Amino acid sequence: DQQVKQNSPSLSVQEGRISILNCDYTNSMFDYFLWYKKYPAEGPTFLISISSIKDKNEDGRFTVFLNKSAKHLSLHIVPSQPGDSAVYFCAATRYNNNDMRFGAGTRLTVKP
Amino acid sequence: DVKVTQSSRYLVKRTGEKVFLECVQDMDHENMFWYRQDPGLGLRLIYFSYDVKMKEKGDIPEGYSVSREKKERFSLILESASTNQTSMYLCASSLGLGGGITGELFFGEGSRLTVL
Repeated sequence: DQQVKQNSPSLSVQEGRISILNCDYTNSMFDYFLWYKKYPAEGPTFLISISSIKDKNEDGRFTVFLNKSAKHLSLHIVPSQPGDSAVYFCAATRYNNNDMRFGAGTRLTVKP
Repeated sequence: DVKVTQSSRYLVKRTGEKVFLECVQDMDHENMFWYRQDPGLGLRLIYFSYDVKMKEKGDIPEGYSVSREKKERFSLILESASTNQTSMYLCASSLGLGGGITGELFFGEGSRLTVL
């Protein structure tokens, strides 16, 4: 039973526009959320995170929004660039815990 | 620079063979993890370890075992490989303090295992 779900396997956007990637979770004990980016033939790399005490966190072109009541988070990329084309994984965990659960990933393609 | 190294990028094994996947990190991290990545399923946690000689089952431990004899090394063992274990295996590590601290995982490049 997947505790973290990314229901869109793929997303295609035009360069310069906004990319919005969505993630839902079922375990209400999760209180820390992360996004990872993965290029082919490489391991995932950390992109941005958010604690459950916040509802928004920004880092440059990347913003993560958290809606705890809906158990939903989203990653916004503005403006999108062709180099952003990758698979994006949403992950969730708990403070004072050591494991981390991932979604199935969303493949983002940014067209020039 | 942070480094997680997996011993083999590509392996081909036969059904029933014993398979060892090795992972070494140079960041002095307490926590180490093994995931497998499959299309449509994302990354699924097999086992993790929060200290030397300690291990915890993840979501799909069946058919796997692990070993952590030294802090920097975490091995995944397939006692008798089966075709449904054909997958990409990813090792990761993270910093932990006492009861654990939430932080990013640092991943290796992955080991693609094919079981014939």
